[in-house]
Amino acid sequence: AQTVTQSQPEMSVQEAETVTLSCTYDTSESDYYLFWYKQPPSRQMILVIRQEAYKQQNATENRFSVNFQKAAKSFSLKISDSQLGDAAMYFCALNSNSGYALNFGKGTSLLVTP
Amino acid sequence: EPEVTQTPSHQVTQMGQEVILRCVPISNHLYFYWYRQILGQKVEFLVSFYNNEISEKSEIFDDQFSVERPDGSNFTLKIRSTKLEDSAMYFCASGTYIGGPEAFFGQGTRLTVV
Repeated sequence: AQTVTQSQPEMSVQEAETVTLSCTYDTSESDYYLFWYKQPPSRQMILVIRQEAYKQQNATENRFSVNFQKAAKSFSLKISDSQLGDAAMYFCALNSNSGYALNFGKGTSLLVTP
Repeated sequence: EPEVTQTPSHQVTQMGQEVILRCVPISNHLYFYWYRQILGQKVEFLVSFYNNEISEKSEIFDDQFSVERPDGSNFTLKIRSTKLEDSAMYFCASGTYIGGPEAFFGQGTRLTVV
């Protein structure tokens, strides 16, 4: 069975500062994909960043980057230069090549203060 | 930019009634999904659909649920006899599976069963 754990129900960051959201996961698969999705108050799910497990290099998308530690099964999201528009629920998700489903964590609510 | 569209945005139905939630996936995508999110909880996988058949389904996707791709563009989720606990946000998603199983989500349909 696959599990995704987000241990921080809520996080807060000041505008222009950096924040890191934690995610740990468990899977018996050797080949899998990890994702961070953002869900603003509109509740649409927006893909932020993805990481292939076979790639050692950490993914980066503009102000968003990940710290992927395969041995520790850890996949944290770093948001640099935080903006008010980053305020949202952030979900970590896992997919292995043996299935089609995304397995989501419970989410971290990010508050950005001026 | 292409996007997944869902209709209606909000549906209110009486317990025991049938509902059909509609989705138009991104046109060149081959994989289609339904997820649901009960208020305040994580996003849960319901079903995936590929090549005109269900490729994977979760325990939630029981006999009261069905999916269909009636034409080349629409993808529907039918709930035959709604229950109060079916009240949730339902997300449609689609993907190519090329380069990874990332899913692009629609804006969701809020289903309220009264």
